[in-house]
Amino acid sequence: DQQVKQNSPSLSVQEGRISILNCDYTNSMFDYFLWYKKYPAEGPTFLISISSIKDKNEDGRFTVFLNKSAKHLSLHIVPSQPGDSAVYFCAASEGGGTSYGKLTFGQGTILTVHP
Amino acid sequence: GAVVSQHPSWVICKSGTSVKIECRSLDFQATTMFWYRQFPKQSLMLMATSNEGSKATYEQGVEKDKFLINHASLTLSTLTVTSAHPEDSSFYICSGGPYSNQPQHFGDGTRLSIL
Repeated sequence: DQQVKQNSPSLSVQEGRISILNCDYTNSMFDYFLWYKKYPAEGPTFLISISSIKDKNEDGRFTVFLNKSAKHLSLHIVPSQPGDSAVYFCAASEGGGTSYGKLTFGQGTILTVHP
Repeated sequence: GAVVSQHPSWVICKSGTSVKIECRSLDFQATTMFWYRQFPKQSLMLMATSNEGSKATYEQGVEKDKFLINHASLTLSTLTVTSAHPEDSSFYICSGGPYSNQPQHFGDGTRLSIL
């Protein structure tokens, strides 16, 4: 039972354009969502997060949008840069704002940004 | 920022061997750390929560007698895969952080291959 799904295994984007990574979830108890970025041979690094009480969070080139009614979130990267090429994981927590260590992850999306 | 160090990064051993994986917090104290596992083409799945000075909490379906977790100090959690078999071959990764209400930091993971 995959509670967090990233249906696109890969995404290819031209440098300077927008990258949009999508994530769907089924568990309505999730109240906090995170995006992690992972380079080969390294662990995931935290990128950006959003609480379920918000619908948008922005940090520089990265913006996460949350649509609770659709149980869908997306990560926008603009402008995309070659250094953004990595695997992006969507993760969710039902920690109630107190525990972000117990996460449910999606399968990941491989983003490739071409120069 | 907070750093989590995981060792070894790669292990290849014979079936029946027990393998210990270490997860250290280098610049913070962690009362709780988390162990995940990732099989090929699947998501990171939470295996257990490691609690300093007390028993670990295992997720449903994870055998506690096979995956022994020890968290004897505030900077070290270990996962021992006892009598490992080929089906235990996977990517094991830990996470932790100085505060439970903030995103956790991941180690670089351990690739375990059982022959």
